[in-house]
Amino acid sequence: NAGVTQTPKFRVLKTGQSMTLLCAQDMNHEYMYWYRQDPGMGLRLIHYSVGEGTTAKGEVPDGYNVSRLKKQNFLLGLESAAPSQTSVYFCASRPQGISDTQYFGPGTRLTVL
Amino acid sequence: DAKTTQPPSMDCAEGRAANLPCNHSTISGNEYVYWYRQIHSQGPQYIIHGLKNNETNEMASLIITEDRKSSTLILPHATLRDTAVYYCIVRVYGGATNKLIFGTGTLLAVQP
Repeated sequence: NAGVTQTPKFRVLKTGQSMTLLCAQDMNHEYMYWYRQDPGMGLRLIHYSVGEGTTAKGEVPDGYNVSRLKKQNFLLGLESAAPSQTSVYFCASRPQGISDTQYFGPGTRLTVL
Repeated sequence: DAKTTQPPSMDCAEGRAANLPCNHSTISGNEYVYWYRQIHSQGPQYIIHGLKNNETNEMASLIITEDRKSSTLILPHATLRDTAVYYCIVRVYGGATNKLIFGTGTLLAVQP
């Protein structure tokens, strides 16, 4: 099992450009999450999904959109990137049920100039 | 979810036990204690969780006080690869939103 993978690992954007971050998991997990982590801060939830075709907003959803067309994939989109979106983005997944154990990907480091 | 308090940093000698404390004095009866760690530039990694009994797995042991107001994560034989930020999280078991509040954690530096 590869677990949770994220593509790309690094990316530099100019202000106003758009991009999509891909998260894939091969553990058949129902729930998937997108977090961002900024220096000196904990992780903050951007959006999450409780199943294929469903998405919901987290703590900091503005400027981001998500889609969960397939159970194994969760996409995070930036339509018009801003310098404030410079961050490290982590994807996570967990199985349906009462366990709160989340499995995280390696992260995507995004810089917006 | 209850708030947790952890020391910002700790040192430990390689091969010795690392004992990481966490205070959660406002924990409620249905809240579990979770521990995650984040090695530099990597995604967080689940370590262990518990409700009120002590727990042990292949990575660590979790000791929760009888009043559940504090807990200690024990890495029995710390190695250099255990250098990481350790997060203590308290939350109600289950729930679809399942937002994990990581806080700033404890930076454990294992010294050779």
